[in-house]
Parts: sequence; C-alpha cells; structure tokens
Amino acid sequence: GEDVEQSLFLSVREGDSSVINCTYTDSSSTYLYWYKQEPGAGLQLLTYIFSNMDMKQDQRLTVLLNKKDKHLSLRIADTQTGDSAIYFCAESRNTDKLIFGTGTRLQVFP
Amino acid sequence: DADVTQTPRNRITKTGKRIMLECSQTKGHDRMYWYRQDPGLGLRLIYYSFDVKDINKGEISDGYSVSRQAQAKFSLSLESAIPNQTALYFCATSDTGTVAEQYFGPGTRLTVT
Repeated sequence: GEDVEQSLFLSVREGDSSVINCTYTDSSSTYLYWYKQEPGAGLQLLTYIFSNMDMKQDQRLTVLLNKKDKHLSLRIADTQTGDSAIYFCAESRNTDKLIFGTGTRLQVFP
Repeated sequence: DADVTQTPRNRITKTGKRIMLECSQTKGHDRMYWYRQDPGLGLRLIYYSFDVKDINKGEISDGYSVSRQAQAKFSLSLESAIPNQTALYFCATSDTGTVAEQYFGPGTRLTVT
C-alpha cells in the first residue's frame, strides 16, 4: 500500500522545539518531503530528503529519516507563532506522483 | 503575480449541476495535477498530466474529468456534482527532474448543496 500517516494535531509553546512525525509504508520511496500549508493558502515545499540520507538540516529545520522503520520527522527549533500551519509529509518513487500524509496541524501558543 | 492561479476561489453549487474549476500557471512546467483536500484525509490525487497530450487518473478520479487545453492550463470538471464532492481543490505544477517539487495554487473551496 501507499499509506502515509501523521498525527493530526500538535500544540507547542513559543520558543520550544516542535517535532512532527510521519510513517510511510513504501520502502521504494526515493524522496521524502515536508510541505507547509498556511491558512487560506496552498502548500509550499519546506524541505526534502533523499532516501539514502538519514539527516538534513536547514536553519531551524531538521529532518530525520529512519529508513528501517519507515519513519520521517521534522524538528522545528525555536518555534514561532508564524510556524502555526498544517504540515504534510509526502513520499515519491521514481515519478512525480506524490503521496501525501493526512497533515499535522501545529498550533503555537505564547 | 502568482505563478499558479485557480478560478473560482469559492463556489457553491447544487447537486446535479456541472461545474468547471480552472487552473493556469506561468512557470512553464509540463506537469500539472489536481488534488482534493478533506479534513483528516490529507491531499488525494484526482488527475495528473505530464504534458499536453497526456492525462492520467489518480486515486480518486470517479465523478471527475479533466482537460489540458495548453501547457499552461488544466481544468477539472464535475459532470454532475454531489454533496460528498464538497472539498478544497488544489491545482499544482512541477518541472521534470528528480526532486519533484510541486507548486500549488491557492485552492478552490467548493460546496455542493
């Protein structure tokens, strides 16, 4: 199957770290992605990781990939109110078709 | 100006009506996609097109049809709308290549009563 699963909600205090988790089932995935959807807008690519990597860091964002467990996570350091959004993980194989997860709504409170 | 535009942004229609959602892009990409978003279900692919002469069904194509009028235009039609097609619809584009970043439009909120 091609299921990609995420928890639906996460609430964190401003300044703390957020960790959003994702599990997928397709072991042949070549790239895994994190997209962000702000209220009233479409999705925007935040970051991606190639399947032969286990970590990627980009400023406040850290992506960890455990290929054995088919687990992907996105850590946001020093979370700000502007990070409040829905975060989607997605996987692709050797085509441009993406399989999206259910999305995690991140709420940041002061 | 936005790279991917969708019209209309909001639409309310009645059961049984035919409706068309339009998407235009200025990114010069060959690949275009239509998704629907439902709470708790994420995004599901309806149809996609890898060039003007190519149309492919996604995971939930029943009740929908598409037309790729030009490289820049990809429209989605609901031939006879039903209430469970009430959703947020997104168009997206991507270039060819391995990373497959997709660029999304702002979405069309469709309500079928």
